[in-house]
Amino acid sequence: EAGVAQSPRYKIIEKRQSVAFWCNPISGHATLYWYQQILGQGPKLLIQFQNNGVVDDSQLPKDRFSAERLKGVDSTLKIQPAKLEDSAVYLCASSALAGGSGELFFGEGSRLTVL
Amino acid sequence: AQSVTQLGSHVSVSEGALVLLRCNYSSSVPPYLFWYVQYPNQGLQLLLKYTSAATLVKGINGFEAEFKKSETSFHLTKPSAHMSDAAEYFCAVYNNAGNMLTFGGGTRLMVKP
Repeated sequence: EAGVAQSPRYKIIEKRQSVAFWCNPISGHATLYWYQQILGQGPKLLIQFQNNGVVDDSQLPKDRFSAERLKGVDSTLKIQPAKLEDSAVYLCASSALAGGSGELFFGEGSRLTVL
Repeated sequence: AQSVTQLGSHVSVSEGALVLLRCNYSSSVPPYLFWYVQYPNQGLQLLLKYTSAATLVKGINGFEAEFKKSETSFHLTKPSAHMSDAAEYFCAVYNNAGNMLTFGGGTRLMVKP
């Protein structure tokens, strides 16, 4: 079974530029998450999708971050314009139906460096 | 709101020594608790999970954790550390209402030869 796929693995940009990350979850997983992991900290949830609908985006800085999951499968997270403090690893995860036991499957992450 | 606190951002042990990584949780309902491991430049991998069955949970790579309600703890242990255990470990609590995980700050385990 293929795992969660993310790309690109690494991205270096200058502040005020834009960047996009892509995630393809495990086949059949209805729930998709984007987490931000700043160096030395635990992952923080940015946004959660159930199929193609947003369940929780309360921690997403909506003035610069956006995310979509138009067909309920893969997802894109965009940052525009980027700030220095956005330097982090962006982790995508997926899980089966809501109400399950909570096991999330993570991709390898996309490491963003903002100069 | 549910949360977890990991005591000690860095833990160093000698190879062959006991590993003990501490996690305390806060939850108003019986929690589901998880430990994940993250190796350098990789995503998070599930080590073990507690979902209200047996209080002593065994996971992969010889790790186990014990759920202690009276202490609101879910500490991770391994009897004998191996060099390959060097990684970052995250404790997490599952928010059943929101179907999401809330993570602690992580503990970096270093294993000395």
